[in-house]
Amino acid sequence: GAGVSQSPRYKVAKRGQDVALRCDPISGHVSLFWYQQALGQGPEFLTYFQNEAQLDKSGLPSDRFFAERPEGSVSTLKIQRTQQEDSAVYLCASSLVSRDTEAFFGQGTRLTVV
Amino acid sequence: GQQVMQIPQYQHVQEGEDFTTYCNSSTTLSNIQWYKQRPGGHPVFLIQLVKSGEVKKQKRLTFQFGEAKKNSSLHITATQTTDVGTYFCAPFTGTASKLTFGTGTRLQVTL
Repeated sequence: GAGVSQSPRYKVAKRGQDVALRCDPISGHVSLFWYQQALGQGPEFLTYFQNEAQLDKSGLPSDRFFAERPEGSVSTLKIQRTQQEDSAVYLCASSLVSRDTEAFFGQGTRLTVV
Repeated sequence: GQQVMQIPQYQHVQEGEDFTTYCNSSTTLSNIQWYKQRPGGHPVFLIQLVKSGEVKKQKRLTFQFGEAKKNSSLHITATQTTDVGTYFCAPFTGTASKLTFGTGTRLQVTL
C-alpha cells in the first residue's frame, strides 16, 4: 500500500473485553513502532520491532498489552481485559531502517472502553 | 525514561507573527527529528538534524541543532492558520533506535 494502514479506525469495547489492533506498515519497512496517545497528550512509546524481533517493549503499561509481528510485516497489538484507562488513540509507525530515516504514521485506532 | 522537555507547552499567536519552540535535553543527542501533528491527525515528519550547529530551512520553517547537541529549536516566520498543530521533537541518543517524542508545543494561530 501507499502508506501505513491501521484497522479498525474506531473500536468500542466493553470493560473486560479483549481487543486486537492491526497495523500494515509500508512494504519493505524494517522498523515498526506502536504508540498510545491519550486526549491532549503526545504519543507515548509502547514497543518497537525490527523485522520480526521485538527489540523494545519497555513502554507497554502492563502485562495485559501484547504485540507481535510474526513475519516481519503486519503487526498486531492486543489488549486483554480492557480497562477504561486504556481508552486512547493507538498509533502505528514504520520506517525504512530506524534512527536515520523518517517514520510514517498510520491514521490510528481510536479505542473507547465503556 | 526521561522525557525531553519542550517549551512553551502552548502558544497562541496572530497570523503573521513569528513562533519558536525549543526542545531541551539533559543528555547529548546523536540526532533529532521534528514532527507536526494537526488536530485529529497523526504525526508527520518535518526534518532530521544530525550535525552540531546544523541549521535547515523549509520555506518559513527554520530548524536548528545546538552546538552541544543538547537542544534544538523550530522557528516559524509569519505564521499562517495552516501552521496550527502540535510540534514534537523526537530525540535520539547513542545508538538507540527507539523513536520517542518530546512533550510537544501546541500552536494556535488566529486571524
